[in-house]
Amino acid sequence: EDKVVQSPLSLVVHEGDTVTLNCSYEVTNFRSLLWYKQEKKAPTFLFMLTSSGIEKKSGRLSSILDKKELFSILNITATQTGDSAIYLCAKGEEYGNKLVFGAGTILRVKS
Amino acid sequence: EAEVAQSPRYKITEKSQAVAFWCDPISGHATLYWYRQILGQGLELLVQFQDESVVDDSQLPKDRFSAERLKGVDSTLKIQPAELGDSAMYLCASSRTWDLSYEQYFGPGTRLTVT
Repeated sequence: EDKVVQSPLSLVVHEGDTVTLNCSYEVTNFRSLLWYKQEKKAPTFLFMLTSSGIEKKSGRLSSILDKKELFSILNITATQTGDSAIYLCAKGEEYGNKLVFGAGTILRVKS
Repeated sequence: EAEVAQSPRYKITEKSQAVAFWCDPISGHATLYWYRQILGQGLELLVQFQDESVVDDSQLPKDRFSAERLKGVDSTLKIQPAELGDSAMYLCASSRTWDLSYEQYFGPGTRLTVT
C-alpha cells in the first residue's frame, strides 16, 4: 500500500515557539494532500492541498505542498497550549475518495 | 452544525464476544467510511460505502468483521468474535460525495477495549 510518512513522531515545544511538521508521500494515484488535527476525539479538517507551491493559511497555521519532492509541511507559529494534539496527514487518491493516513505527529505545547 | 454521530462512545468486551458500533452520518452525505485507529498508528480505512453499496472493503478482516448500510443512511460495524488485537478507536466519517473536493467529517469515535 502507498505510504504516507510523517515526522517527527512526537514533539514538545514551549508556548510561543514555531513548529514545522513534515509529511512525505508516494506519488502513485495522488490527487490531494490533507491535514487534520485530532484532539481527544474526532479529527478535524485543517487544509486540503492540490497545487504545488501555493500556501494555504488559517490564522497561525499554514501549509504548503511540493509535488516535485513529494512532501508537505504544516507550520504553526506562536504556538499555544491549545495546539497540543495529534496532527494527521493524509494522501487523497485519484480514484474514489480514499484517504491514506500517516501515523501522525503528536505535538505537546508546554506553558 | 450537523455532526456525525456514533455510539457507543466506549465499549469494553471480552474476547470471543460480539460487538457492534453504530454511525449516523451528516444528513445528505452519500459516502460513509469506517476507520480503525490503533494508538501510535494512522487511520486505516476498513470500509467505504457509496449510498448503500460497498465500494472498498479491501482492508476489512471479513472473517470476523461485517458492515452494512441497508438504507444508505446509518451504518453498523460488527465484530464477531472480538480478539485482543481489535482494541482500538473506531471512527466513522462521511462526505457529501465521493469527490475529494468535499472534506470528510469525522464522528467522535468508539473506543473498544477487548479483555
